[in-house]
Parts: sequence; structure tokens; C-alpha cells
Amino acid sequence: DAGVIQSPRHEVTEMGQEVTLRCKPISGHNSLFWYRQTMMRGLELLIYFNNNVPIDDSGMPEDRFSAKMPNASFSTLKIQPSEPRDSAVYFCASRWDTYEQYFGPGTRLTVT
Amino acid sequence: GDSVTQMEGPVTLSEEAFLTINCTYTATGYPSLFWYVQYPGEGLQLLLKATKADDKGSNKGFEATYRKETTSFHLEKGSVQVSDSAVYFCALTPNTGTASKLTFGTGTRLQVTL
Repeated sequence: DAGVIQSPRHEVTEMGQEVTLRCKPISGHNSLFWYRQTMMRGLELLIYFNNNVPIDDSGMPEDRFSAKMPNASFSTLKIQPSEPRDSAVYFCASRWDTYEQYFGPGTRLTVT
Repeated sequence: GDSVTQMEGPVTLSEEAFLTINCTYTATGYPSLFWYVQYPGEGLQLLLKATKADDKGSNKGFEATYRKETTSFHLEKGSVQVSDSAVYFCALTPNTGTASKLTFGTGTRLQVTL
């Protein structure tokens, strides 16, 4: 079992550029969650999907953020245009039914 | 809405000391309760869980008991090790089916020294 896979692990980009973060959930899991972690705000849920359908995107900061889940094995979180305040560690997690969430290793994003 | 309150950190202990990290929650109904641990540079891992009142979750020497009357789920360990240094998150999820999400506390950093 490879666990939740996220790519890239580190991303450094300049302000104004588009950033795409990728997540491959554990095979068979039917829910997927995107989180953001910063020192100031802690761990925040951005959006989550159930059976590839977005259920709650109320945590998405603004229109610059978008997330998709085209199939059960892949999801993306896109920031366009990126800003320095988007610098954070972004985690993806997946779950089957109501059982525990399994977290990926995270993507550390730095926007200069 | 649902919320989780954890004690402020950091908590600094000597090796073999007793650990308590307090966690209280606000939720309707009967949520499931969790403790997650995050080691430096890693994602969160489930440490233990309890799904109903008076349940005790335990793992790796850590324990927490679901107390409905005090709405608490305090984490304890009798003798901490340096390797327990990490950030600990208390969390809950309402038992409302597959569309439920986790609500996390702010995390408590534990530093164990020799």
C-alpha cells in the first residue's frame, strides 16, 4: 500500500504564477480532503470530495483557488494567480466510508 | 458549529514523565473523537480513536477516554520518550454518514528532553 501520494513535495514559485498541486488517494477510498497548514492559522480544511463530487468548499479562501477530482484516483488543487500569503504546507487525505483519514506527506509551497 | 479546544503548547517534559494534553469539544449528538500525531516534516497519522461515550482509545502507550459528561477526550501517556516529540491534534467527526468531515483543534506541540 503506497499511501496517499502528493506531488510535488516542494514548490517554489513567483507571485502571479499558476501552481498545481496533485494528489493520488489510496485505492478504494471514496472521500478526499485538501488541507492547508500554516503557523498562523493552523490546519484548515479547504475542500472535500465524496465519490468525486465536491461536498463542501466553504474553506476555499477565494476564487484564486480551485480543486477538481476528475476520477477516483486523482485530484488537483490549483492556485491562479499565486500570492506570497498562499505559502503553506498543503495536505491531501483520503478515507473510505466513515473510517479514518489517511494523510499524504504534504506539499510545501513557497511563493516569493 | 462543531469545535475542538486543546491546551496551548508547547509542552516540555523530561523523558519518562507523565503526559496529559487536554481536549474538550462542542458538538451536537454523539461524535467520534480522534487524536492525530504529526512528526516533523510529515503528514498527520491517526494515533487513537473512540466512537462512543466511555470508550477508551489506546495505541503506543497513549490513552484517551471519551467522556460525554465533561465533553472531553484528554490524551495521556505514563512515560514519554524523546521519540514522542511531535504535534498532537485532537479532532472530531459527527456520525452523520459518509459526507462528514473532521474538525481539528489547533494542535499541541510536545517536546521531550533527556
